[in-house]
Amino acid sequence: QSVLTQPPSMSAAPGQKVTISCSGSSSNIGSNYVSWYQQFPGTAPKLLIYDNNKRPSGIPDRFSGSKSGTSATLGITGLQTGDEADYYCGTWDSSLSAVVFGGGTKLTVL
Amino acid sequence: QVQLQESGPGLGKPSETLSLTCTVSGGSISSYYWSWIRQPPGKGLEWIGYIYYTGNTNYNPSLKSRVTISVDTSKNQFSLKLSSVTAADTAVYYCARMGPLYSSSWYYFDYWGQGTLVTVSS
Repeated sequence: QSVLTQPPSMSAAPGQKVTISCSGSSSNIGSNYVSWYQQFPGTAPKLLIYDNNKRPSGIPDRFSGSKSGTSATLGITGLQTGDEADYYCGTWDSSLSAVVFGGGTKLTVL
Repeated sequence: QVQLQESGPGLGKPSETLSLTCTVSGGSISSYYWSWIRQPPGKGLEWIGYIYYTGNTNYNPSLKSRVTISVDTSKNQFSLKLSSVTAADTAVYYCARMGPLYSSSWYYFDYWGQGTLVTVSS
């Protein structure tokens, strides 16, 4: 059981927009910054978003992040088949004094 | 470009201690926090703990009693020891660099190793 809650799976058509939610509580998302990771099968996760909405160098602006209260959202516009992957949110939990992750969302682009 | 590489045995027996090392290249291990993260087959990510180059550590409460993370700055390496392993500890183990201290949050992971599968089986 993950501390952060994500939908297990989502699907959308190429070219469309998808938003992946990440729900937490006041001790984690509500009081700390959120990061997002993309993971393809058999590879290490890759940082997509940090500090709620900042993109590392090289990450296209099709990827965006936002936070409101105890929830965060990853947005992907202009979906491509190459975006099919697992997506994870993460943050710090001040009560646990630990990094916590969501359970992951498997995105299918069909 | 910072690169991380995990190394260690891919197979362990129940009740033994799992030992892994992460070698950092392309940058200094100093001035950053470094973490171990694991992912059981077909499941999500679990943070194990971090170490600062000074040796300061913090562990996931769920694993704290079995985890030790250490650093060797002379070799630009940090290591993980997980004791009393069971089949539930079978996972891909990743080492990762945490965000710079000058950013708003340091608890994200910007560089990852490729991961190493550790199987616990008798």
